[in-house]
Amino acid sequence: DIQMTQSPSSLSASVGDRVTITCRATQTVSRYLNWYRQKPGEAPELLIYAASTLQSGVPSRFSGSGSGTDFTLTISSVQPEDFATYFCQQSFTTPITFGQGTRLEIK
Amino acid sequence: QVRLIQSGAEVRKPGASVKISCKTSGYTFTTYTLYWVRQAPGQRPEWMGWINAANGDTKYSQRFQGRVTITTDTSAYTAYLELSGLRSDDTATFYCARAGTWDAFDVWGQGTVVTVSS
Repeated sequence: DIQMTQSPSSLSASVGDRVTITCRATQTVSRYLNWYRQKPGEAPELLIYAASTLQSGVPSRFSGSGSGTDFTLTISSVQPEDFATYFCQQSFTTPITFGQGTRLEIK
Repeated sequence: QVRLIQSGAEVRKPGASVKISCKTSGYTFTTYTLYWVRQAPGQRPEWMGWINAANGDTKYSQRFQGRVTITTDTSAYTAYLELSGLRSDDTATFYCARAGTWDAFDVWGQGTVVTVSS
């Protein structure tokens, strides 16, 4: 199975800050890497697919990059609704696997 | 508007089974594959299996093999997850999700909480 590891596991930021989350796979996933935001008590929401493509309707402050085994999610200017947990996911092969999550908290 | 609406919360005793539904609307049901995901409290989502709504082909995670069955009722645009042999560590929220481009989960159900307790 491909293991996905995110860093950091948590971080604190203020509204307007730029934040970056990284995700590493134990073997190549090509560009089959997706990012989700999950607010408490809600289902995950797709932000980025294919490593860098913004899902329709998602604000442009979100961006993704990377290929192979190393990926990043950047929020250029954190907004109040962004304080949530973020998961990366590889859809390259089954079993589909997720990172352990990164909790973004208010500083 | 594409929507996935799941059935309500369930409480079961250890060893029992549960069947959850995922009713879809707003798109052609047979065009997409549907996935089921388990998320225990405070944990990462965990893939359980998928079903090709066009032909009924399924694939299950080895972790749940033998305990999970995913089916569809094409006439009702609905997918089902049945999990048997429930244990306390199956207490979780279960989600259905549609696989879009690059197999990213572009639409999710609202989740169904299953509590397993004696």
